[in-house]
Amino acid sequence: DQQVKQNSPSLSVQEGRISILNCDYTNSMFDYFLWYKKYPAEGPTFLISISSIKDKNEDGRFTVFLNKSAKHLSLHIVPSQPGDSAVYFCAASPEKTSGSRLTFGEGTQLTVNP
Amino acid sequence: NAGVMQNPRHLVRRRGQEARLRCSPMKGHSHVYWYRQLPEEGLKFMVYLQKENIIDESGMPKERFSAEFPKEGPSILRIQQVVRGDSAAYFCASSPKNRQETQYFGPGTRLLVL
Repeated sequence: DQQVKQNSPSLSVQEGRISILNCDYTNSMFDYFLWYKKYPAEGPTFLISISSIKDKNEDGRFTVFLNKSAKHLSLHIVPSQPGDSAVYFCAASPEKTSGSRLTFGEGTQLTVNP
Repeated sequence: NAGVMQNPRHLVRRRGQEARLRCSPMKGHSHVYWYRQLPEEGLKFMVYLQKENIIDESGMPKERFSAEFPKEGPSILRIQQVVRGDSAAYFCASSPKNRQETQYFGPGTRLLVL
């Protein structure tokens, strides 16, 4: 039972354009969401997060949008840079303050072409 | 300001041997999580520990796997009598005591069972 799904295994965009990565979840208990970036042979690097009380969070080139009614979130990267090429994982947590497991999606390989 | 440290980075074992994976959390972090990533899959939660306590081990296989986080020293993930299916990347993450929802990952240990 895949509770967090990233339906696009790969995405290719041109440098300077916007990258949009999508994530859907099924568990209504999830109330905190995170995006991680991962390069080969390295651990995931935290990018940005959003609490369920918000619908948008922005940090530099990265913006995460949350649509609770649709159980959908997305990560926007603008402008995209070749160094953004990596696997992006969406993750969700059911309890913001008590510390708990993260449930990850399968990842989306982003390729930014120069 | 060292991040999460894991060793060894690569580990090769023959079937039936034991594997010990170590994780030193970031300075000041008292919560440790272990995740496993099988080839072509996302990260799957295994266990969540605080100092000297296992908080959530619902993702651990019932046999052969154990984890500890002693008062002194790193967290250890131990796999006894390894089988080929244990070959994976094992990631450790830590979080601060007062911000439990953001987990920071180490570089991982890649276990190969021959």
